[in-house]
Amino acid sequence: AQSVTQPDIHITVSEGASLELRCNYSYGATPYLFWYVQSPGQGLQLLLKYFSGDTLVQGIKGFEAEFKRSQSSFNLRKPSVHWSDAAEYFCAVGAPTGTASKLTFGTGTRLQVTL
Amino acid sequence: GAVVSQHPSRVICKSGTSVKIECRSLDFQATTMFWYRQFPKQSLMLMATSNEGSKATYEQGVEKDKFLINHASLTLSTLTVTSAHPEDSSFYICSARVSGGATDTQYFGPGTRLTVL
Repeated sequence: AQSVTQPDIHITVSEGASLELRCNYSYGATPYLFWYVQSPGQGLQLLLKYFSGDTLVQGIKGFEAEFKRSQSSFNLRKPSVHWSDAAEYFCAVGAPTGTASKLTFGTGTRLQVTL
Repeated sequence: GAVVSQHPSRVICKSGTSVKIECRSLDFQATTMFWYRQFPKQSLMLMATSNEGSKATYEQGVEKDKFLINHASLTLSTLTVTSAHPEDSSFYICSARVSGGATDTQYFGPGTRLTVL
């Protein structure tokens, strides 16, 4: 069964500093990988996704993530964090099973941005 | 594109009543939609997969008679929480799947906060 681990429950960074959120997955083949962001009381917004090809993926809002098969990781990065980036971030792995690709989510990382 | 809406955004009901939550894909057709439940400060738990024109597939431990799912059209899925009890209070989020190889992606609705008194 697939699984996702986000080791960091809570991270605090200063505005303008760089950011890296960790994500490790467990899956028998090449997975579909996603990062979503959730603001308080809101649904999830897709930041970026990886299916195949270039292992460095660019997303919205200046985020990027790198798929590293050898480390089973898909870490999210941003060179300069803005105060509006404060939110909950979820990494997810999808298994293309049958006609529906189920997603398994990590437990999330709460990002706090200090001014 | 790929906008998903949910209605209502917030509902408060008495114990024993039933509540219906709608999930709509506004600018695309979705043969598959998903329903999740999220407890405070926790991750999303998949409850069921809703397939247009067929029965929903429920995850282990989810009571199908309590959480009724209907996917009557390519843009609408509904979740009905029957005989709701306080332990059903939660944040319910739906997603709609855009399928097709490299575009196989789920887009999420804004969620519905259910409070059962």
